[in-house]
Amino acid sequence: QVQLVQSGAEVKKPGASVKVSCKASGYTFTGYYMHWVRQAPGQGLEWMGWINPNSGGTNYAQKFQGRVTMTRDTSISTAYMELSRLRSDDTAVYYCFFITVTAAWKDYWGQGTLVTVSS
Amino acid sequence: EIVLTQSPGTLSLSPGERATLSCRASQSVSSSYLAWYQQKPGQAPRLLIYGASSRATGIPDRFSGSGSGTDFTLTISRLEPEDFAVYYCQQYGSSMYTFGQGTKLEIK
Repeated sequence: QVQLVQSGAEVKKPGASVKVSCKASGYTFTGYYMHWVRQAPGQGLEWMGWINPNSGGTNYAQKFQGRVTMTRDTSISTAYMELSRLRSDDTAVYYCFFITVTAAWKDYWGQGTLVTVSS
Repeated sequence: EIVLTQSPGTLSLSPGERATLSCRASQSVSSSYLAWYQQKPGQAPRLLIYGASSRATGIPDRFSGSGSGTDFTLTISRLEPEDFAVYYCQQYGSSMYTFGQGTKLEIK
């Protein structure tokens, strides 16, 4: 079955970087764009960007440009999201997800990764 | 960047009632590229509606979406207990996807 398994929770200091992984299984990894969204505690969803696992092409939300890097390793069907120059307001749960766009759409989500930024 | 504004912020209804949630865009959403998601506490979101009015796989037909341009609506015809959650609209018609701030649907 289709699964997205994300890396575990992280605690980082302000100014540091974090790299979250999202390992895919059960489908053709290169077939669908992988999106990243985040959700601060008690807040709404914030779209961060997507990566085309086939080409490596990316599209980042303006807010994160210059601080976020999305990459992939097709040999292990894994997508990565790295966020640099962390601030306390980057504390959030980070999700990867993709949507199959054949016939009726269906979405698949990772379990989420809590990143806590604290001095 | 297209800003999505959802209303109301909180909607209090009883099971069996009809729910109408609104999503207004700051500019026209290209080709009705508007989606709706449901999120329950402690869970990842779930796609309900895409293309403004098409139901995603496995979504009950009590959920329906409508609208175009800048005004979109999610309707839940008869609320079931499991429908009480937070709902988000998202536009994907521009290169910068954006979410609305959410509507919390709570039991009255």
